[in-house]
Amino acid sequence: DIQMTQSPSSLSASVGDRVTITCRASQAISNYLAWYQQKPGKVPKLLIYAASTLQSGVPSRFSGSGSGTDFTLTISSLQPEDVATYYCQNYNSAPITFGQGTRLAIK
Amino acid sequence: EVQLVESGGGLVQPGRSLRLSCTASGFNFGGYAMSWVRQAPGKGLEWVGFIRNKASGGTTEYAASVKGRFTISRDDSKSIAYLQMNSLKTEDTAVYYCIRERWQMVYWGQGTLVTVSS
Repeated sequence: DIQMTQSPSSLSASVGDRVTITCRASQAISNYLAWYQQKPGKVPKLLIYAASTLQSGVPSRFSGSGSGTDFTLTISSLQPEDVATYYCQNYNSAPITFGQGTRLAIK
Repeated sequence: EVQLVESGGGLVQPGRSLRLSCTASGFNFGGYAMSWVRQAPGKGLEWVGFIRNKASGGTTEYAASVKGRFTISRDDSKSIAYLQMNSLKTEDTAVYYCIRERWQMVYWGQGTLVTVSS
């Protein structure tokens, strides 16, 4: 199975900061990578798919990049409502695998 | 509006069985694969499996952790997907989410909690 490793596991940043979360796949997955946001007590929400395509309705401060094994999720200007746990997901083929999550807090 | 409503969760003893249902509305159910993802309390997301739509063969894929114990099925006439869970273990305790599609997971149900405990 393809393992997905996110870093960092948690981070704290100030409102307005640029935040980057990375996700590494244990083998190449082309661009079959999605990012999800899960706010406390809520259902996960798809932010980005195909590594860099913004899901409809997602604010443009979110962006994704990467291909192969290394991917990043960037929030260009952190907002208070971005407090959440973020997960990457490999969907190159079954079994689908998720990263362990990155918990984002506001300083 | 796409809606997915899970039901059937609850408290069950180790070794017993439970069947979850996912009732869908607002879209052509038969045209989509359906997936299950779970989340143990305070933990991350874990893919459970999916069932393809009939046009793609209606076949299933499972995570290694549930293969041989869990079965996903569907009734397109009722717009319901099922997750049959047998030989339950304490580590199966989680919120189980039903999701439309198998790859890019846009639509999720609210989840149903399954607690496996004696």
